[in-house]
Amino acid sequence: EAGVTQFPSHSVIEKGQTVTLRCDPISGHDNLYWYRRVMGKEIKFLLHFVKESKQDESGMPNNRFLAERTGGTYSTLKVQPAELEDSGVYFCASSQESRTGNYEQYFGPGTRLTVT
Amino acid sequence: DAKTTQPTSMDCAEGRAANLPCNHSTISGNEYVYWYRQIHSQGPQYIIHGLKNNETNEMASLIITEDRKSSTLILPHATLRDTAVYYCIVRVHQTGANNLFFGTGTRLTVIP
Repeated sequence: EAGVTQFPSHSVIEKGQTVTLRCDPISGHDNLYWYRRVMGKEIKFLLHFVKESKQDESGMPNNRFLAERTGGTYSTLKVQPAELEDSGVYFCASSQESRTGNYEQYFGPGTRLTVT
Repeated sequence: DAKTTQPTSMDCAEGRAANLPCNHSTISGNEYVYWYRQIHSQGPQYIIHGLKNNETNEMASLIITEDRKSSTLILPHATLRDTAVYYCIVRVHQTGANNLFFGTGTRLTVIP
């Protein structure tokens, strides 16, 4: 079974440009999450999708970040315009909906974003 | 979610058991203890979780004290590939509140 995949693995852009990150969750996982680690900081939650709906976007830093999950499959995270402080590693995770309460999240390898 | 406290770093000799402690003195009765790890340049990886009973799987064992205020993750025979940052996270199981709160974790270095 394929795991969570993310594209690209690394992106280098200039300040003010736009970047779109993509995440493909594990097939059948309704829950999709975005996290990020900026330099020297802890991994922080950004938002959570249940299928195509945003369940929780309390971690989104500002309106330069836009996440979508059309059709409830893959998700994109767009940063427009990018700023220097957006540099970091962006992780995507997915999980099944579980009535037993086991919300194990499977993480992708991350996208390393460098804004220069 | 309750806050956890972990040592910043630990060393362990290869082949020996690695015991990683975690304090979660403010844990609530409905909060689970989860452990994840992040090996360098990879995404976090789920290891194990439990509520109040000790748990074991193919990766590790989780020992939770009777008062649930602390726990220990045990890697029975540490290998070099277990070198990683280990995160202890406490959280409830409820719809719509599944995001993970990562702290600083414990950086485990397995020494040959």
